[in-house]
Parts: sequence; C-alpha cells; structure tokens
Amino acid sequence: GAGVSQSPRYKVAKRGQDVALRCDPISGHVSLFWYQQALGQGPEFLTYFQNEAQLDKSGLPSDRFFAERPEGSVSTLKIQRTQQEDSAVYLCASRPRGRLTQYFGPGTRLTVL
Amino acid sequence: GDSVTQMEGPVTLSEEAFLTINCTYTATGYPSLFWYVQYPGEGLQLLLKATKADDKGSNKGFEATYRKETTSFHLEKGSVQVSDSAVYFCALNFQGAQKLVFGQGTRLTINP
Repeated sequence: GAGVSQSPRYKVAKRGQDVALRCDPISGHVSLFWYQQALGQGPEFLTYFQNEAQLDKSGLPSDRFFAERPEGSVSTLKIQRTQQEDSAVYLCASRPRGRLTQYFGPGTRLTVL
Repeated sequence: GDSVTQMEGPVTLSEEAFLTINCTYTATGYPSLFWYVQYPGEGLQLLLKATKADDKGSNKGFEATYRKETTSFHLEKGSVQVSDSAVYFCALNFQGAQKLVFGQGTRLTINP
C-alpha cells in the first residue's frame, strides 16, 4: 500500500518568504508527527496530532512555525518569514492507533537563501 | 531530559565484517527503544525495536538487546553487506510522550 508522502520534496525559499509543506499520512493512521532534521543530525520533534487535535507542539522552535490537520488526515506545516536557520529536512510520520511504530515519509528539504 | 547518544561515525568496514554501533540512553523510567535506518535517497525505516528490559529485537540479520542495567541498545550484525550502507539512528519513546527522541545518527559504509 501507499506510504507517507510529502510535497514538495525540495523547496528553496528566499529569507523572509512563507512556505507550506504538505504531508499525506497512511490512510487510517490516527497519529501524525512532524520532525526537523538538520544536516548531519538526528530528527527532532516538532509537533504531534491525534486526528485533528494538536496535542503537543512543544518542539516548534518559534511562533513562526504553525501546523494544522483540519480533517484529521492531510497535514500542513507552515513556516512564516523563513530564516536561514530554518534550512533542514522536514519529516512527517504517521502511526496507527494502538501501535508504537511510526512510519516516515521521504521528507521535504528546505533551503533558505 | 531524555536523550540518546550514539557512537560517532562515519564507520567504514569491509564486506563480511562484524558490526557494532553503540547506543546509550538517558531517561526516567523504561522507554521503548528503536533502531531506524535511512538508505541513500530514502526515508527513515524501522529496523528493529524492543519494548522492555532484556528484549531482543532482530531483523535482516541485525540484533539489539535492551539492557536496563547499562541503559544501552547496541546494534550488531555478524556479517555486513555492501547493501547495509546507510545511516542508522537509535531512538527512544515513552508512550505517554508519544514523540521519538533520536540520536545523532551513525553513517555506515561497507566496502566490497
């Protein structure tokens, strides 16, 4: 079956631009996670949804970062007024109810010039 | 806070060599432990996991044992192949916290 998909795969933005990154989770997966992976580092947690409810946003680095999942399926991570330090790979993962394993998408590589 | 420390890479081995990638963790309580692998150009994939002390996770010839006394979850493989070249991430998770906490990753290159 289809895995987690993310779009775009690559995004180049000028400093100060707003960007929107999309995640399509595996159908039926209740939980959805966003992570940020800087070059040469492990992924770091940004935020977590259960269905449409954002239950944990403790990892969002600033109020420029905003995530939503209005219908409990597709999610969008929005970054306003991008800065160079936002350059990273943004990973989305989904997980079925009652299970431990998270399934990751291929990521979106964001480069801010 | 909770954290994961992996042996630094990169690690380069010859085909059929024995592999160990060390992973230790700091956490309150007893988390679940994971190894994820990232092949070139692909997303993170679960390699194996263990949910309680003394559990052994295994997959594709890789093994790791959850050692509570040493707070470790070292990854081992008896005979590596060129196709095992990838970046390996150790991670932990508390069910209550939901999120995964990752180590920094270890890049492994296997030469023929």
